[in-house]
Amino acid sequence: NAGVMQNPRHLVRRRGQEARLRCSPMKGHSHVYWYRQLPEEGLKFMVYLQKENIIDESGMPKERFSAEFPKEGPSILRIQQVVRGDSAAYFCASSPETGDRQAFFGQGTRLTVV
Amino acid sequence: AQTVTQSQPEMSVQEAETVTLSCTYDTSENNYYLFWYKQPPSRQMILVIRQEAYKQQNATENRFSVNFQKAAKSFSLKISDSQLGDTAMYFCAFMRGGATNKLIFGTGTLLAVQP
Repeated sequence: NAGVMQNPRHLVRRRGQEARLRCSPMKGHSHVYWYRQLPEEGLKFMVYLQKENIIDESGMPKERFSAEFPKEGPSILRIQQVVRGDSAAYFCASSPETGDRQAFFGQGTRLTVV
Repeated sequence: AQTVTQSQPEMSVQEAETVTLSCTYDTSENNYYLFWYKQPPSRQMILVIRQEAYKQQNATENRFSVNFQKAAKSFSLKISDSQLGDTAMYFCAFMRGGATNKLIFGTGTLLAVQP
């Protein structure tokens, strides 16, 4: 049973470009959470999605950031017009429908904006 | 809003010794879960141990154990017989009871195990 898969592992973008980060949850998991880890800091919650629905986006910046989890395919975190301050590690975690109260993390995507 | 505080940015321990990492949290909830995650240089977030707030017994996982003091809102991690592979960032995290598995993390403690 493959774990949570994130790609790419490393992404370099120039200021003003778009960044797309992908997350495939564990098999059987329908809940996805995105977190951001700035340098020298802990992980901060961004958004919680279920298939085709955004459940909680209280941690998402109001502009330039969006997330989706379509019926088919991975969850996507999209950052438009990236700035240097977006440089961070972005982690995805998945959970099953009910029951197990824990989150399984992917290895993260390190975004560098140059 | 819930908060998690880790007051020790860095700690060091000799191999085979015991070390305790501190964590306090603030919540008005009665139903919640607490976690310790390990993040080695590979950046992978690895679950170390989990505690359900409704359980009085402290959780243990091999060399890792917690001291959960609900009234004091304290959740410390004890690592016994420290090994070089324990060198990592350790994050304390809080999860509310209910329909979501959203985690609130502390700022982390960098643990260095010295040979």
